[in-house]
Amino acid sequence: GAVVSQHPSRVICKSGTSVKIECRSLDFQATTMFWYRQFPKQSLMLMATSNEGSKATYEQGVEKDKFLINHASLTLSTLTVTSAHPEDSSFYICSASEGPLNTEAFFGQGTRLTVV
Amino acid sequence: GENVEQHPSTLSVQEGDSAVIKCTYSDSASNYFPWYKQELGKGPQLIIDIRSNVGEKKDQRIAVTLNKTAKHFSLHITETQPEDSAVYFCAATIQKLVFGTGTRLLVSP
Repeated sequence: GAVVSQHPSRVICKSGTSVKIECRSLDFQATTMFWYRQFPKQSLMLMATSNEGSKATYEQGVEKDKFLINHASLTLSTLTVTSAHPEDSSFYICSASEGPLNTEAFFGQGTRLTVV
Repeated sequence: GENVEQHPSTLSVQEGDSAVIKCTYSDSASNYFPWYKQELGKGPQLIIDIRSNVGEKKDQRIAVTLNKTAKHFSLHITETQPEDSAVYFCAATIQKLVFGTGTRLLVSP
């Protein structure tokens, strides 16, 4: 299957700082990218959907000013957690799709964010 | 919106046995049903999927069945191996993937 690379795999940051997570589709053009958050032993919760060149669509309850998403090219999307707090500590996962969501979506390896 | 329920939450089997995980969905318009395997500390990996115009799909030891009338679909793993141990998620979608709650599968040698 297609490869989606997510970086970094782990990051520890201090409260109040910002952290950027990158998601790259390595061998295909991702028209749509998705960002999820996963708490321990729970399912994936969609945070936002981004389409190349346009603003991201955020799910209800997700602060767009806190979780900045940029999808500047067909192979790269970034999630920036701004002014991070300990409650933002979680596993963040991106996925990418060539077309509409009901085609195969390929997931990145995830990023474990710990805010101290 | 779509709601996906998944059962069981945990499943323990002996190596070589079969494992079945079931999901139900609420929106009859959903037309794509993938299954993912997630190992500890990693992202989900697509293992098999089925579309609404198909009733069954098989790939080696893994099979998925779909009953559109009842709005449920199931994952079947035969001849389980210890390396099958992981968390499995079902999902359903019209426009956005909605995930089930996950099943932790443990295959004992």
